[in-house]
Amino acid sequence: NAGVTQTPKFRVLKTGQSMTLLCAQDMNHEYMYWYRQDPGMGLRLIHYSVGEGTTAKGEVPDGYNVSRLKKQNFLLGLESAAPSQTSVYFCASTEGTSGRSSYNEQFFGPGTRLTVL
Amino acid sequence: KQEVTQIPAALSVPEGENLVLNCSFTDSAIYNLQWFRQDPGKGLTSLLLIQSSQREQTSGRLNASLDKSSGRSTLYIAASQPGDSATYLCAVDTGRRALTFGSGTRLQVQP
Repeated sequence: NAGVTQTPKFRVLKTGQSMTLLCAQDMNHEYMYWYRQDPGMGLRLIHYSVGEGTTAKGEVPDGYNVSRLKKQNFLLGLESAAPSQTSVYFCASTEGTSGRSSYNEQFFGPGTRLTVL
Repeated sequence: KQEVTQIPAALSVPEGENLVLNCSFTDSAIYNLQWFRQDPGKGLTSLLLIQSSQREQTSGRLNASLDKSSGRSTLYIAASQPGDSATYLCAVDTGRRALTFGSGTRLQVQP
């Protein structure tokens, strides 16, 4: 199993350009997440999905869009990149549960380092 | 809003020392707490997950405890080794099925 994979690993954009980050998981997980990590701030949740065809906003969703057309893939889009979006982006997935409890650990991809000039 | 704090922000110890990393959270209504390791330029590796009904979890030289009522967790590393050098992150699941992270403790173990 490859686990959680992310493409690309690195990217440099100019302000105003657009791009899509791809996350793929081969563990048949229901839940998938996009986080960003900035120096000294830990990871913050951007968007998440609790199943194919569903998405929801996290803590810092502005400037990003997501889609989950297939269960194994979760795409993060930047329509008009800004320097404030320079960060390391992590995708994660978890099996998910029924009910309100979530007992399953999250598995993370290796990250995408994005620089916006 | 849940806030997670990790103390200390950085720690340097000699090889062989036992050490404790601290994590505190403001809302005790959590479902689980997870400790991660992050090596420079790499992703996160899950170390231990403690369910809200549990008091501690152990894996090898690692032991994590959870006191929900006081909003605290500790990660105990026994007989530290240079290979333990990394950033350790604490994260809590508050039922949104997503994690709230602390900013991490950067650990350096000197040979």
